[in-house]
Amino acid sequence: QLQLQESGPGLVKPSETLSLTCTVSGGSISSSSYYWGWIRQPPGKGLEWIGSIYYSGSTYYNPSLKSRVTISVDTSKNQFSLKLSSVTAADTAVYYCARHPLDTARETPKYFDYWGQGTLVTVSS
Amino acid sequence: AIRITQSPSSLSASTGDRVTITCRASQGISSYLAWYQQKPGKAPKLLIYAASTLQSGVPSRFSGSGSGTDFTLTISCLQSEDFATYYCQQYYSYPPTFGQGTKVEIK
Repeated sequence: QLQLQESGPGLVKPSETLSLTCTVSGGSISSSSYYWGWIRQPPGKGLEWIGSIYYSGSTYYNPSLKSRVTISVDTSKNQFSLKLSSVTAADTAVYYCARHPLDTARETPKYFDYWGQGTLVTVSS
Repeated sequence: AIRITQSPSSLSASTGDRVTITCRASQGISSYLAWYQQKPGKAPKLLIYAASTLQSGVPSRFSGSGSGTDFTLTISCLQSEDFATYYCQQYYSYPPTFGQGTKVEIK
């Protein structure tokens, strides 16, 4: 059974960089059939996609966050990571990692079929 | 980005009721729509993809329909475990975007 687990600091100071890692178990991050993504949810609010990465390193980012986001992959550790720079209180959210199948016809990722449990990151001094 | 308008934002229903939630996309998205269920403190769970395909293990009382701009999630006979928040998501074009959610509460 595929499992995803987010890890990283739960508290980040304003203007600093938020760093999270997602560890995948029960399956290979190097599968050619999937992208791996980050989604966040501010407390009491809806879902926002941040970005996604393929095992080769190919990335898609949300244009609204693109200038501050870097997603990377470490296939040797079966992990992918998120860095979000210059954070403010508006970046306080539960951050989820998730898998999405690749649409082979359009070569784009699709819906999210497996999710991590999520980790709350609070931005505060 | 494609905007998804989900309605209603909340509804009250009783066990056994038939419940319908709708999503409208700001432009045509063919059938590139998914539905998720989220319970408090938990990650979203995929229910339906490609507008009407039930994810493995999801009860058959859940169904989806629609294409183009208008989509519907129906729960045919609401069970106690179905009280949750439901989200739709389009993956026709990037960035993928979500509806704002519908909270299904106990009447």
